Amino acid sequence: DTGVSQDPRHKITKRGQNVTFRCDPISEHNRLYWYRQTLGQGPEFLTYFQNEAQLEKSRLLSDRFSAERPKGSFSTLEIQRTEQGDSAMYLCASSSPTGLLLGSYNEQFFGPGTRLTVL
Amino acid sequence: GQQVMQIPQYQHVQEGEDFTTYCNSSTTLSNIQWYKQRPGGHPVFLIQLVKSGEVKKQKRLTFQFGEAKKNSSLHITATQTTDVGTYFCAGLGYQKVTFGIGTKLQVIP
Repeated sequence: DTGVSQDPRHKITKRGQNVTFRCDPISEHNRLYWYRQTLGQGPEFLTYFQNEAQLEKSRLLSDRFSAERPKGSFSTLEIQRTEQGDSAMYLCASSSPTGLLLGSYNEQFFGPGTRLTVL
Repeated sequence: GQQVMQIPQYQHVQEGEDFTTYCNSSTTLSNIQWYKQRPGGHPVFLIQLVKSGEVKKQKRLTFQFGEAKKNSSLHITATQTTDVGTYFCAGLGYQKVTFGIGTKLQVIP
């Protein structure tokens, strides 16, 4: 399967613990996005990378959230000191290079998501 | 900041009826994308609109991008049970992606 993969698929943790999620994008895709989705809502943009550079981070994202894409391939999303309000589906998506300016986009391919439950 | 409103939130139709969902952005968009998410699944790309006033068709689906690049619509003709799911628009601005809340479509056989 050459689609976007995410690990783990499910994570249950206690409040206050740290969690880390991994996303492996489609190999030739240079853009990688992280979203959070709760029931009945659309995906909420968290951050995105072009290669290894983190170009945009949502202002809604607290300092407890950090994302990395060290070699421009896979990415990790870490949540420190988890809170019950962090419970959600965390989606990763990747897209291929547009060859144009940063303001242009291609279709995003989503992974299956990591469902986080904070007790 | 950029906000994307989508209506209606829910729609029940009889199989064979038409369906439309509307998307409205608070700011002028670079592009707009449409996605479909089946229950328990992840969003799957349907189409991207880039030009002002653009209209694209995919079989029974018709997508429109407004002249001002602030609104868009998705119209499904003669719905089928396979159309069930939530349809999201995603407004794309400079380095910013904003999804609408989605329209959940139920098709009654």
